[in-house]
Amino acid sequence: NAGVTQTPKFQVLKTGQSMTLQCAQDMNHNSMYWYRQDPGMGLRLIYYSASEGTTDKGEVPNGYNVSRLNKREFSLRLESAAPSQTSVYFCASRRTGEYTQYFGPGTRLTVL
Amino acid sequence: RKEVEQDPGPFNVPEGATVAFNCTYSNSASQSFFWYRQDCRKEPKLLMSVYSSGNEDGRFTAQLNRASQYISLLIRDSKLSDSATYLCVVTSAFYGNNRLAFGKGNQVVVIP
Repeated sequence: NAGVTQTPKFQVLKTGQSMTLQCAQDMNHNSMYWYRQDPGMGLRLIYYSASEGTTDKGEVPNGYNVSRLNKREFSLRLESAAPSQTSVYFCASRRTGEYTQYFGPGTRLTVL
Repeated sequence: RKEVEQDPGPFNVPEGATVAFNCTYSNSASQSFFWYRQDCRKEPKLLMSVYSSGNEDGRFTAQLNRASQYISLLIRDSKLSDSATYLCVVTSAFYGNNRLAFGKGNQVVVIP
């Protein structure tokens, strides 16, 4: 069981470039989440997906899009990266009926 | 007002000593409560759930005070390996308890 996996681990982008962060879980969880973590800000929810085929905005969705490709995979896309999107991005998943979330190892993104 | 408030510290603790810290939450309708541990440059991992009656897991004791809306964590006989940031997490009642609200974390540094 790999749990929650994320790719890439590190990425450097120039302002205006686009990229997709990938997340997959093998725990058969229905709900999946994307967070960003910045120094002094704590974890903030970007988007989440309660089940396959549904997505909803979190606290800080501007500048991001998501796709719940199937039950296992939930991707986060930056269409036109900005320096303010420099952050560590975590994906998480949760089993229906439980509140505990399980996190992936994170993607460290720098936008120059 | 933030949904979860924590004093970030750092809490410098001599090895073998006891350290305790609290967090407060703003919404009395929050249903479930957790402490997560986050090591430097790693993902958050569940340390323990917090129950109304209080609970222990080895050297760790968690308490919940619903009347005053705070959660506490006590670490006894601190080890060097306990150095980490401890995140207070509650289910977000503003979103039907389907999301988690994270505190900014208490940074603990255990000193030899």
